Amino acid sequence: NAGVTQTPKFRILKIGQSMTLQCTQDMNHNYMYWYRQDPGMGLKLIYYSVGAGITDKGEVPNGYNVSRSTTEDFPLRLELAAPSQTSVYFCASSYSLRSSGSSYNEQFFGPGTRLTVL
Amino acid sequence: SQKIEQNSEALNIQEGKTATLTCNYTNYSPAYLQWYRQDPGRGPVFLLLIRENEKEKRKERLKVTFDTTLKQSLFHITASQPADSATYLCALDMENTGFQKLVFGTGTRLLVSP
Repeated sequence: NAGVTQTPKFRILKIGQSMTLQCTQDMNHNYMYWYRQDPGMGLKLIYYSVGAGITDKGEVPNGYNVSRSTTEDFPLRLELAAPSQTSVYFCASSYSLRSSGSSYNEQFFGPGTRLTVL
Repeated sequence: SQKIEQNSEALNIQEGKTATLTCNYTNYSPAYLQWYRQDPGRGPVFLLLIRENEKEKRKERLKVTFDTTLKQSLFHITASQPADSATYLCALDMENTGFQKLVFGTGTRLLVSP
């Protein structure tokens, strides 16, 4: 199993450009997450999904969009990139017995995408 | 507001000693708490999960305690090794919805010298 994979590893964007960060997991996990990590700060949840076709906002969703058309993929879209979106982005996945929650399991993280907006 | 605090200063210890890291939280009663390890340039890796009704959990050289009265978790690494040098993050599901919407502390960097 490759686990959670993310592409690209690095990217530099100009202000106003848009891009999609890709995330794929091969563990058949139903839950997937996007976090951002700024220097000296904890990871902050951007969006999450409890299954294909179901997504919801996390703590810092502004400026981002997500979709979940398959169990495996959870892309994160940045529209109109701003310098404040310079960060390292991590995708994660976990398994829950029920899509309604009430299950505590570890999250598996991808290697991250380092994004700079100039 | 809800808050998770970890010591932002690096912890320097000598090989063979026990490292103890602290995670404090306020204004919340989580059902469980998780600890992760993060190496530079990599994603976090899960280490241990402890539930609110568990006072202590062990895994090899790792031990986690969870004091819901003090609102504190302690993470211990016994017989520490240079390979244990990393940043350690604690995380809580602040909403307790079961959707595992984790809130992470800023992490404590551990440096183990030979």
